[in-house]
Amino acid sequence: SQQGEEDPQALSIQEGENATMNCSYKTSINNLQWYRQNSGRGLVHLILIRSNEREKHSGRLRVTLDTSKKSSSLLITASRAADTASYFCATQTFTGANSKLTFGKGITLSVRP
Amino acid sequence: DAGVIQSPRHEVTEMGQEVTLRCKPISGHDYLFWYRQTMMRGLELLIYFNNNVPIDDSGMPEDRFSAKMPNASFSTLKIQPSEPRDSAVYFCASSAELAMPYNEQFFGPGTRLTVL
Repeated sequence: SQQGEEDPQALSIQEGENATMNCSYKTSINNLQWYRQNSGRGLVHLILIRSNEREKHSGRLRVTLDTSKKSSSLLITASRAADTASYFCATQTFTGANSKLTFGKGITLSVRP
Repeated sequence: DAGVIQSPRHEVTEMGQEVTLRCKPISGHDYLFWYRQTMMRGLELLIYFNNNVPIDDSGMPEDRFSAKMPNASFSTLKIQPSEPRDSAVYFCASSAELAMPYNEQFFGPGTRLTVL
């Protein structure tokens, strides 16, 4: 079953604009991760935020986590055409040796040149 | 490091045939994951291994699917017999135990399987 659900399902913006993508989940987590998938490729890890963190930055990426609302957002600033891809949030709840990620269905981002 | 290696990249087969997908994880990684991605169901975890031992195979759809990891550098996912509904992209991913429980996963390029 999907733990993370992204919103919106698709987003189209102009190059230079900011892109905001949201993810909601249902159960408590240890961390939440965002991945990018370019067409025909595997997923690439972007950023991880721990459950005791509220905000994290990496280059043009900014991730927030609100555990009270069970939600996260990914902001890509000053978007580029190369940011066109699908973006997935994934939640991890660590129990003993269990280390699996549960992925959402993804958001398709199109950045128009 | 070459990253996670999967073979073949594309596989076209006929219904009823046996299909074997292969994966070489990143050297030193202790966890190996098999996923299936379709438009309808998104990315689904099929099974994962820790130190070559299957930990959770609850995502394996049915007995036609089996996975093995005979050593730390090789895993196979087998479908026998294959059916058209098995058509999907199958990904292998690996991660390091040292980073637990905050470990990112590294994905291979995937195998696109088409069952006619």
